This record gives sequence, C-alpha cells and structure tokens, in this order.
Amino acid sequence: DAGVIQSPRHEVTEMGQEVTLRCKPISGHNSLFWYRQTMMRGLELLIYFNNNVPIDDSGMPEDRFSAKMPNASFSTLKIQPSEPRDSAVYFCASRQTGGVTEAFFGQGTRLTVV
Amino acid sequence: AQSVTQLDSHVSVSEGTPVLLRCNYSSSYSPSLFWYVQHPNKGLQLLLKYTSAATLVKGINGFEAEFKKSETSFHLTKPSAHMSDAAEYFCVLDTGRRALTFGSGTRLQVQP
Repeated sequence: DAGVIQSPRHEVTEMGQEVTLRCKPISGHNSLFWYRQTMMRGLELLIYFNNNVPIDDSGMPEDRFSAKMPNASFSTLKIQPSEPRDSAVYFCASRQTGGVTEAFFGQGTRLTVV
Repeated sequence: AQSVTQLDSHVSVSEGTPVLLRCNYSSSYSPSLFWYVQHPNKGLQLLLKYTSAATLVKGINGFEAEFKKSETSFHLTKPSAHMSDAAEYFCVLDTGRRALTFGSGTRLQVQP
C-alpha cells in the first residue's frame, strides 16, 4: 500500500479564497482523522470519522471549515473563506479500529494564506 | 478525562549519550500508548506502541519505552543518541473511545 496520500503537498492562496485539501486513506482502514499543526498550538485534532461518519468535529475551528468523507477511500477538508491564521500544516491519518492499532499519517499539506 | 503530558518541550543530548523523553498520562480506561517521531518537514512515523502484552516495549531505531501503571508513565529511552535522532517526539494516548490524544511534543537536539 502507498500509505495515506494527501494532496496537494503545498498550497499558497490569497485570503478569502476557498481551499480544498484531499486525503486518500489506506485501503481497509475505517477511521480517518484530520489534524492541524502550528508552532503555537502544536497538533490539534480537527475532525474524526469512523466508517465515513463524523464522530467528533469539536476541533473544527469555525464554520469556515468543513470536512466530508463521501466514501471509504476519500476525504476532503475545505476552508471557505480562508484567512492568514489558517496557515498551518494539515495532516490526514487513518487506521483500522478494533484492537490496538496505530494511526498512519500522510505527509501533510502545508497551507499558506497570504 | 484523558490527557497526555510530555514533561519537557526540549531535550538536548550529546551524540553517543542516553536519551530520556518523559511522558505521563491520565486515563479512566485501560490505555494504549504510542510514541511517534516527526523529522523536519515530514509526517509522523510510529516508533513503538504499548498494548498491555509487555510493559517494556521495543521500537525502531533502538528506542524503547516502559509502561509503569503505578507512575502513569510511558517514558521513551535510547542508550546512545545518533545525530539522525534529532526530531520531534510525540507521546500518544488511545483509550479506544475517541480519537488519539497527543502530547505537546518534545524536540530532541543531538549535539556532535
């Protein structure tokens, strides 16, 4: 398996624009996480899906952020409109629930909003 | 409530000397614990995991961690640091009831 695949790896956008980050989890994994990492706040959980259903979205900062998982092999995180304070590295991770299983992380998307 | 506390935000060691990165946890349930490593501009990679099968867990690259229930700790150690160990390390708690809980991270510097 190629691991968790995120795209794009880097995104630079102007304030006010819509940004869509994409994630393909590892085949067979039924849990998916979106995290945001900044120097100031470290790693923050944004949202957690289990079997394509959002279980915990309490970390989504505000209504500008939305996440979807239309099927088991794809998820998106959308920011509309984007703001400079959204600049961060966004990580997607997946794992198979049941037993003790680790999460596998993608390489991240580095978002810069100017 | 569940939480993870990494007691040091930065640790600096000399190459060839031992490494100790400290982690304490709080959990109402039987925890599973992980250590992840993040090299600069990279994603997170699993170093090792505790699953209750054994309290001393061996991971990749010579790292080990010992689960101590009485101390609610899961400290990461390595007998001899290499330059390539310089990275950020995260202690992670999983109770199986929600998403993983990450510590704030410890940045390890290795001096030549």
